[in-house]
Amino acid sequence: DGGITQSPKYLFRKEGQNVTLSCEQNLNHDAMYWYRQDPGQGLRLIYYSQIVNDFQKGDIAEGYSVSREKKESFPLTVTSAQKNPTAFYLCASSIDQGTGTQPQHFGDGTRLSIL
Amino acid sequence: SQKIEQNSEALNIQEGKTATLTCNYTNYSPAYLQWYRQDPGRGPVFLLLIRENEKEKRKERLKVTFDTTLKQSLFHITASQPADSATYLCALKKGRTTDSWGKFQFGAGTQVVVTP
Repeated sequence: DGGITQSPKYLFRKEGQNVTLSCEQNLNHDAMYWYRQDPGQGLRLIYYSQIVNDFQKGDIAEGYSVSREKKESFPLTVTSAQKNPTAFYLCASSIDQGTGTQPQHFGDGTRLSIL
Repeated sequence: SQKIEQNSEALNIQEGKTATLTCNYTNYSPAYLQWYRQDPGRGPVFLLLIRENEKEKRKERLKVTFDTTLKQSLFHITASQPADSATYLCALKKGRTTDSWGKFQFGAGTQVVVTP
């Protein structure tokens, strides 16, 4: 089945540690996105990538980094500079380059907590 | 900046009734507006997309309206069932030019609880 796979489902970060969240899609989609979801708040865009080897900052990119070396993969690194990383992280993809005319397909998220 | 507002209070409704959810936005009017369903601990699932020149869109028991004058979209679940219990999110792209491609904004969602 085609879809988006996020791993791990749960992740714990120690002080001063960088952690990487995996996102893989086999939908052959061009665009990929990373969102952060906190209780009572809407999804907030961290980074997005419209095509391979290109990505752009979203609304809350500070303390995060991404790469897009392959079409199917868009890993997110939460660096030690992100002082409040505890959240539910969602990866998504869309067949177009983010025009808004196509739906986003989401993975089932990674829940990150601080130890 | 663009804001999206959805009712933060949970909507409790009896099975068989119609649930109506509201999504209000400020500033510019988007060309498209999307609705998603999210279950606890899961990612959102796309339900419907409505364009600004469409007043209404239907999919099975779901109906979405889009009023660009009021800057509001309404989402209706008719003949609601307990399986419809979830949080429903609206989303739009922040702008109408190619500069806004990929820049999406989501509402916080409204939780719907359908009781038998």
